[in-house]
Amino acid sequence: AAGVIQSPRHLIKEKRETATLKCYPIPRHDTVYWYQQGPGQDPQFLISFYEKMQSDKGSIPDRFSAQQFSDYHSELNMSSLELGDSALYFCASSLGRGLAGDSYNEQFFGPGTRLTVL
Amino acid sequence: AQKITQTQPGMFVQEKEAVTLDCTYDTSDQSYGLFWYKQPSSGEMIFLIYQGSYDEQNATEGRYSLNFQKARKSANLVISASQLGDSAMYFCAMNFYSSASKIIFGSGTRLSIRP
Repeated sequence: AAGVIQSPRHLIKEKRETATLKCYPIPRHDTVYWYQQGPGQDPQFLISFYEKMQSDKGSIPDRFSAQQFSDYHSELNMSSLELGDSALYFCASSLGRGLAGDSYNEQFFGPGTRLTVL
Repeated sequence: AQKITQTQPGMFVQEKEAVTLDCTYDTSDQSYGLFWYKQPSSGEMIFLIYQGSYDEQNATEGRYSLNFQKARKSANLVISASQLGDSAMYFCAMNFYSSASKIIFGSGTRLSIRP
């Protein structure tokens, strides 16, 4: 079965550079979520999109922006990178907004992009 | 406040034994979803099982079952007949109607299976 695709899988950047992470959801999934997992930490929600509109926003720095395109893929743009941005960035997708309690609520994660800022 | 607690930072289990990973949660929401994810050392986040707050029957997926006790606000994961490949970090997670479905994770339990 098709899964969530993320690219690139690994990325090395210098401080103050920019980075763009891409996410391709499972076919027919219309909702995308971004999470950041620091070393030894649990994933933290950054932002989500439903039908190309921002659905919810978490602890996403102002230096980061994201959008969802007409084909439902999403991109996370990160500027003025800092050492603390080094983390595993996950994209997840679901069918519908996945309102809690709904049986179609499952979120499926991509393999992640490991970003290292030097 | 919404919070998920996993009290077992690490566990060692003998191969072929059953194992229970604990998870408790705190929320005033009536509508929420419960998840368990497995994260091997390679880093990917693998969806294991899901239970909606309105589901009356405990969810099962192969060797995984979710022991959902709503009144106690617990959602323990049971893995039957553990295998060496089960060694990984396991996260209990939830989303809530009031939080527009973003997932909140517990701190995780590192499970190690002994041969």
